[in-house]
Amino acid sequence: DTGVSQNPRHKITKRGQNVTFRCDPISEHNRLYWYRQTLGQGPEFLTYFQNEAQLEKSRLLSDRFSAERPKGSFSTLEIQRTEQGDSAMYLCATGPGGLQETQYFGPGTRLLVL
Amino acid sequence: GNSVTQMEGPVTLSEEAFLTINCTYTATGYPSLFWYVQYPGEGLQLLLKATKADDKGSNKGFEATYRKETTSFHLEKGSVQVSDSAVYFCALSSSGGGADGLTFGKGTHLIIQP
Repeated sequence: DTGVSQNPRHKITKRGQNVTFRCDPISEHNRLYWYRQTLGQGPEFLTYFQNEAQLEKSRLLSDRFSAERPKGSFSTLEIQRTEQGDSAMYLCATGPGGLQETQYFGPGTRLLVL
Repeated sequence: GNSVTQMEGPVTLSEEAFLTINCTYTATGYPSLFWYVQYPGEGLQLLLKATKADDKGSNKGFEATYRKETTSFHLEKGSVQVSDSAVYFCALSSSGGGADGLTFGKGTHLIIQP
């Protein structure tokens, strides 16, 4: 399968714990995006990488959230001191760049904070 | 800021009925417009896109035309099937270079009955 992959697919954690999610992009895509989707809503943009550089962050990305993309390949999204309000589906998307780019989404990681 | 408004669901139709899902947007500049579909238990998939005014995107019998004068991108299909049951998201990308996050509507849940 050469699509975007995400791990784990599901994560249950207790409030206050740290969690980390991983996204592996389509190999030739240099752009990588993170989104959050809550029940009954569309995905909301969190942050974006061009290769290894994090170029944009949404105001939704609080200080407890950090994302990395070492070497411009896979990316990780870490949430520190999780809160119940962090429960959501976290989506990764990648794109080849250029004008009128199309983003391709992974299956998502569903997080439940108890 | 950018926003996407789409008709709320669920939308329930009988097989072979005509489908329209309305989508209107607010954006600066000249956005690209997308329809994504999420089948039960699966990730977001690109259904179709249009990148400039009067463009028509089409795929799998679905069509949508980019109407700048009415800021709309309504999704249509002439004869729906049970397999079209899914959640449909309208989205836009406002940056000419695609280097930003997509702005999504809340999604429309479509249910097709045999």
